[in-house]
Amino acid sequence: DSGVTQTPKHLITATGQRVTLRCSPRSGDLSVYWYQQSLDQGLQFLIQYYNGEERAKGNILERFSAQQFPDLHSELNLSSLELGDSALYFCASSVEGAGETQYFGPGTRLLVL
Amino acid sequence: GNSVTQMEGPVTLSEEAFLTINCTYTATGYPSLFWYVQYPGEGLQLLLKATKADDKGSNKGFEATYRKETTSFHLEKGSVQVSDSAVYFCALLDSGAGSYQLTFGKGTKLSVIP
Repeated sequence: DSGVTQTPKHLITATGQRVTLRCSPRSGDLSVYWYQQSLDQGLQFLIQYYNGEERAKGNILERFSAQQFPDLHSELNLSSLELGDSALYFCASSVEGAGETQYFGPGTRLLVL
Repeated sequence: GNSVTQMEGPVTLSEEAFLTINCTYTATGYPSLFWYVQYPGEGLQLLLKATKADDKGSNKGFEATYRKETTSFHLEKGSVQVSDSAVYFCALLDSGAGSYQLTFGKGTKLSVIP
């Protein structure tokens, strides 16, 4: 158990809908990262937050957004969902977000029908 | 840009066989290197890491040495067990580039049969 929690574990929804994925980092970690794992693209970095502020952006679609709250939990919002958004979404956390080890949560499996 | 190349899987081995999973990387700076493991139905777990050239990471009988001259970080284990069946990901973190995201290889699926 890494100490990073993600909810929900599974999510099934329809095209065009909007969903919110939630992540709680390890106690004491200030930085949160979101990654997408899909069969065709592999594991890709989406976005990083540090202490409430966006720090880095990767291959994140404009339909997707994220935020980190004062209690340091983070939410990833996916809107206007398409079939191709079906994937496993991982959250990771680290202490400072400055190159140290990232610890991953169990993931949220999203299926868009 | 940064990239990680892993040997294609799947890899099937008998119990107690020797394991090597090759990983090479391309990076603009001096990256830290990681192996993560994903057991069926679970998230990614850190297996081992190395932060500078010639460092050896080790955990649970797995080892990998950071080779700057060959830009490699091959994963090895002397005697695999059925419980090692999982997908293994090589990754790099090039903090010198100003971004702290992990770049992953495509993963290598290992199946160990009794």
